[in-house]
Amino acid sequence: TQLLEQSPQFLSIQEGENLTVYCNSSSVFSSLQWYRQEPGEGPVLLVTVVTGGEVKKLKRLTFQFGDARKDSSLHITAAQPGDTGLYLCAGARAGGTSYGKLTFGQGTILTVHP
Amino acid sequence: SAVISQKPSRDICQRGTSLTIQCQVDSQVTMMFWYRQQPGQSLTLIATANQGSEATYESGFVIDKFPISRPNLTFSTLTVSNMSPEDSSIYLCSVEDLFRGVTRTQYFGPGTRLTVL
Repeated sequence: TQLLEQSPQFLSIQEGENLTVYCNSSSVFSSLQWYRQEPGEGPVLLVTVVTGGEVKKLKRLTFQFGDARKDSSLHITAAQPGDTGLYLCAGARAGGTSYGKLTFGQGTILTVHP
Repeated sequence: SAVISQKPSRDICQRGTSLTIQCQVDSQVTMMFWYRQQPGQSLTLIATANQGSEATYESGFVIDKFPISRPNLTFSTLTVSNMSPEDSSIYLCSVEDLFRGVTRTQYFGPGTRLTVL
């Protein structure tokens, strides 16, 4: 079973602060997705990273995929109240019968106070 | 990316009854999945909905409890059978599509919030 350990589980910060969320595994993933989910809605895809060592930026969000494709991080610069939500990382399993299936981390509930 | 809708968006049901959730996609997709999510928690994969054949269930989920249909490449249903309060959860369907036209990834529907009394 491939597991993704996501940390921290809860994060409460003030507007303007920076934060980092981590996802770690002992397994290799073919790709890794980051989602953001607000109450009453489905997860919304933020980014997909595929290549080991890849770094992608989405405005104030920076996503990194580890060189060995076992871990990933999400860094938010100058957080805003609109960033509040549940952040989920999900690793895509490799081939065979597991192809296409996602393993999700436990999620990080982020609250940004004005 | 694919646009996904689910019906109903929420429901309150009595124990022992069954509820069928529908998932509609605006384009043909090969892979469709069903997930369960407790409020504020992460997602657990229930099964892969296969077009033209029986769904593939994950450990801990069985066809008798969660029958799934996939009659074509744009539609699937998940039934939660003989419900108990422990089935209260958010049920989500997802589809595999291309991210920025290149990378396979999954997109999610808005979810169905189920409460069983």
